[in-house]
Amino acid sequence: GAGVSQTPSNKVTEKGKYVELRCDPISGHTALYWYRQSLGQGPEFLIYFQGTGAADDSGLPNDRFFAVRPEGSVSTLKIQRTERGDSAVYLCASSLAGGSNYGYTFGSGTRLTVV
Amino acid sequence: AQSVTQLGSHVSVSEGALVLLRCNYSSSVPPYLFWYVQYPNQGLQLLLKYTTGATLVKGINGFEAEFKKSETSFHLTKPSAHMSDAAEYFCAVSEGNFGNEKLTFGTGTRLTIIP
Repeated sequence: GAGVSQTPSNKVTEKGKYVELRCDPISGHTALYWYRQSLGQGPEFLIYFQGTGAADDSGLPNDRFFAVRPEGSVSTLKIQRTERGDSAVYLCASSLAGGSNYGYTFGSGTRLTVV
Repeated sequence: AQSVTQLGSHVSVSEGALVLLRCNYSSSVPPYLFWYVQYPNQGLQLLLKYTTGATLVKGINGFEAEFKKSETSFHLTKPSAHMSDAAEYFCAVSEGNFGNEKLTFGTGTRLTIIP
């Protein structure tokens, strides 16, 4: 596609439930990044994939958060046993190889609300 | 380790006046620096970036920024504000070719334009 697509755009879930957030990067982009943006804050890094492997997952807050990219394209961010503090906008970005040189393209995000 | 500090969470300027949004960074390697703009309920759009070379960087919509290593700053300016500039602005840093490609963002500055 022309841009980075994130689905769903909005997700409301009950505390304790499991959720999956999907990111479709730009075709051919080998690098994919997940960020979390809480209200009034800047985006915080979660995880970065280069191809199928996680090059850096140091931003995942705890073991309830997990992300996969099995074929090096679409990525899914999975959150188990959701908590109200997980409510945020989850942003995905993709880039050709290194984003610093080739540029990062961001999706519009998934707004997750845990009630 | 890298970090970004944006001074002033809210900035208001009159239409036609100079826009100055401040950003200071910390990085253990030569930094790659970025400014992004975010309109309500949208993703992040790149305004400009500094990688290497010329320290004065020109971006879209009449914005520019100057990399000052001695001051560890990358302030964003625009000579004449337009109503359409009202948005949230984020400064970000990465290690680029020197290390990790992940972006570290500041907390953002909300720019309001007074008619």
